[in-house]
Amino acid sequence: NAGVTQTPKFQVLKTGQSMTLQCAQDMNHEYMSWYRQDPGMGLRLIHYSVGAGITDQGEVPNGYNVSRSTTEDFPLRLLSAAPSQTSVYFCASSRQSSYNEQFFGPGTRLTVL
Amino acid sequence: AQSVAQPEDQVNVAEGNPLTVKCTYSVSGNPYLFWYVQYPNRGLQFLLKYITGDNLVKGSYGFEAEFNKSQTSFHLKKPSALVSDSALYFCAVRDADKIIFGKGTRLHILP
Repeated sequence: NAGVTQTPKFQVLKTGQSMTLQCAQDMNHEYMSWYRQDPGMGLRLIHYSVGAGITDQGEVPNGYNVSRSTTEDFPLRLLSAAPSQTSVYFCASSRQSSYNEQFFGPGTRLTVL
Repeated sequence: AQSVAQPEDQVNVAEGNPLTVKCTYSVSGNPYLFWYVQYPNRGLQFLLKYITGDNLVKGSYGFEAEFNKSQTSFHLKKPSALVSDSALYFCAVRDADKIIFGKGTRLHILP
């Protein structure tokens, strides 16, 4: 199993550009989530999904969209990038629900100029 | 809303000494608590969780955590620190369908 994969590993955007961060898992996990990690702020939840077709907002959802059309994939879309979205983004998945341990991807380092 | 706090940004421990990384929680109802570790340039890895039962929870790499309801704490412990334990440690709490993380504590193990 590849586990949780994220692409790209690094990305530089200009203010106002849009892009999609990809996340996929091959463990048939129902629960998936996106976090951003900033120095001194820890991990903050952006969006999460309890299963295909179901998504919900986390702590910091503004400026981001998600969709969950399949169990495997959970892409994160930046609609109009801003410098405040410069961060490291992590995708995670877990079996059935948030009671279970989450498996994290390697992260995407995004810089918005 | 449920939350956790990690009062120390950094903890320094000499190799071979016991280590403690502190976490306090604020929840309504029964707490579901987790510890994760992040090594440099890596994603987070699960260490252990508390859902119910014994107050002492054993996890990966020799770590354990003590749940204390009266003090609303869930401190991470290890009897003898290794240099390889140097990393960033996160406490987390379940809030309905969400997992909310603390700000993290950087652990330095000094040779």
